[in-house]
Amino acid sequence: QKEVEQNSGPLSVPEGAIASLNCTYSDRGSQSFFWYRQYSGKSPELIMFIYSNGDKEDGRFTAQLNKASQYVSLLIRDSQPSDSATYLCAVTGAGSYQLTFGKGTKLSVIP
Amino acid sequence: NAGVMQNPRHLVRRRGQEARLRCSPMKGHSHVYWYRQLPEEGLKFMVYLQKENIIDESGMPKERFSAEFPKEGPSILRIQQVVRGDSAAYFCASSPSPFETQYFGPGTRLLVL
Repeated sequence: QKEVEQNSGPLSVPEGAIASLNCTYSDRGSQSFFWYRQYSGKSPELIMFIYSNGDKEDGRFTAQLNKASQYVSLLIRDSQPSDSATYLCAVTGAGSYQLTFGKGTKLSVIP
Repeated sequence: NAGVMQNPRHLVRRRGQEARLRCSPMKGHSHVYWYRQLPEEGLKFMVYLQKENIIDESGMPKERFSAEFPKEGPSILRIQQVVRGDSAAYFCASSPSPFETQYFGPGTRLLVL
């Protein structure tokens, strides 16, 4: 059974701080890793994807992947109240299109 | 710049009725995926379709649920004889090919009374 684990939170950070969101996955053959943001009552919105070990930066967001540790993280710099949402980690296996989601981490950015 | 479209956005059904959820993929996308999000749960894969073909329905409940993606028109997720446990948000996603990023529609929130 492929599993994706996230700390459910809530994670509270002050405005302007760095928010760090973590995710572990059980399938060592996982190939692609995604972070989606979901506001309450809305649909998942793609934030970033990463395929290779290391860091990938896009604006205020940095995704980090460590396949040896089966760990992927998302850093949000200069957090804003509008970043308050649930962040979903999703993974696909080798040759697979199925996204396996974690339950999400609820982030609250305090003004 | 039409994204993935789903309708209806909200659907209320009584136990035993049928629910039909529709999804039109993003322009240029021919691969459709359905996911279900139960209250306080993560999204779960249900089914993957291409035009006129069900490729993978390993996440679909064995009974009462079916999906199609006809040559013309939207993809349909059909739930027969709905029960209260079917109350959830149903999301459709699409991609241009099976291993590319999936983009989600706004979802259909089904409430079974």
